Amino acid sequence: GNSVTQMEGPVTLSEEAFLTINCTYTATGYPSLFWYVQYPGEGLQLLLKATKADDKGSNKGFEATYRKETTSFHLEKGSVQVSDSAVYFCALLPATGGGNKLTFGTGTQLKVEL
Amino acid sequence: DAGITQSPRHKVTETGTPVTLRCHQTENHRYMYWYRQDPGHGLRLIHYSYGVKDTDKGEVSDGYSVSRSKTEDFLLTLESATSSQTSVYFCAISESQGGFYGYTFGSGTRLTVV
Repeated sequence: GNSVTQMEGPVTLSEEAFLTINCTYTATGYPSLFWYVQYPGEGLQLLLKATKADDKGSNKGFEATYRKETTSFHLEKGSVQVSDSAVYFCALLPATGGGNKLTFGTGTQLKVEL
Repeated sequence: DAGITQSPRHKVTETGTPVTLRCHQTENHRYMYWYRQDPGHGLRLIHYSYGVKDTDKGEVSDGYSVSRSKTEDFLLTLESATSSQTSVYFCAISESQGGFYGYTFGSGTRLTVV
């Protein structure tokens, strides 16, 4: 079946550090891939997405590239801020089957300190 | 100006009692979803709806039922609450099947079953 695997957190970084949160997936064909962010006490918000191989999604300084050969969609940001502290979820939308519903990873908590 | 609201935001209930959570949207989106969020599990789909009176089960539907009598409202009922249903519940909406353009999430309902 379809699944998403994320690196376990929490990830703790100093402000202005480089961020990578790993995400790999299992699915047939070419799913669409998403990153969602959840700030404390809130629901999830769509951060970025990519719909085909080699696409790069980007938003608010974050970016992720759809790598079919490694079935990955790692989230990166060049310089994190305290305000980026949140939980980040990787998700996929299957190309076929799966009832056309999003499958989420378990989430990775990011803590950014001054 | 939130397009999706959940009520109540917090609830404490006793084991064995029925509980209903409400999700209300003002976006006129066709698709609505109920998820639960638990540590180590990420988000898991309980039930979803693809139109008025059209609903289907997700991966963790046992002990839950849903109803959608109007486009704007999607109700989740715990028929006889158990401690294992203590969780944070999120409603989401999307205009496209499977959320290709992204899901919009509510702020969540924190349910405690004692």
